[in-house]
Amino acid sequence: ILNVEQSPQSLHVQEGDSTNFTCSFPSSNFYALHWYRWETAKSPEALFVMTLNGDEKKKGQISATLNTKEGYSYLYIKGSQPEDSATYLCAFGPKETSGSRLTFGEGTQLTVNP
Amino acid sequence: DTGVSQNPRHKITKRGQNVTFRCDPISEHNRLYWYRQTLGQGPEFLTYFQNEAQLEKSRLLSDRFSAERPKGSFSTLEIQRTEQGDSAMYLCASGPWAGSYNEQFFGPGTRLTVL
Repeated sequence: ILNVEQSPQSLHVQEGDSTNFTCSFPSSNFYALHWYRWETAKSPEALFVMTLNGDEKKKGQISATLNTKEGYSYLYIKGSQPEDSATYLCAFGPKETSGSRLTFGEGTQLTVNP
Repeated sequence: DTGVSQNPRHKITKRGQNVTFRCDPISEHNRLYWYRQTLGQGPEFLTYFQNEAQLEKSRLLSDRFSAERPKGSFSTLEIQRTEQGDSAMYLCASGPWAGSYNEQFFGPGTRLTVL
């Protein structure tokens, strides 16, 4: 059983605050790590696919890092806005299935107050 | 809109009834995935197709569940003799076959409530 854990479970911040979340996953059998943003009543939106140890990706004010040796990834949001309020999910793709069967964490629910 | 679409968006049914959901993937994507999400949990993998071939099924997919992708385009997920424990959000995703580390693009989901 693959264990993908995210912390914190929920987070309330003020507009303008920077924030970060953690995703931990099995360090062995690694193929890819995905980050998604899921707003209520919408489709989960793909943010990043990360594959190489030390990877750092950025999209606007959101960035992510990857450490495959120790099995964790961080997602950072710089200067949070109310529209960043969503659930952020990470998903681990194992090598044995070439990453096709994703195992998701439970998500971090972010609320940004104006 | 060229994203993944799912129908219906909501389905309420009585225990014991059969239900069928449809997923239309992004047209050029070979792979199509089904996941299920229950309250407070992340999505859980159910099955996936490469073109019309169903390549993998989770143990979560009991005999009452069947998925098809007859022409390698849209897919259906049928649940027979629904139970209250089947109440969940059913998500479909599609992705290209190779060279993308299995990036998956999700639809908005079908929320099933079994009374």
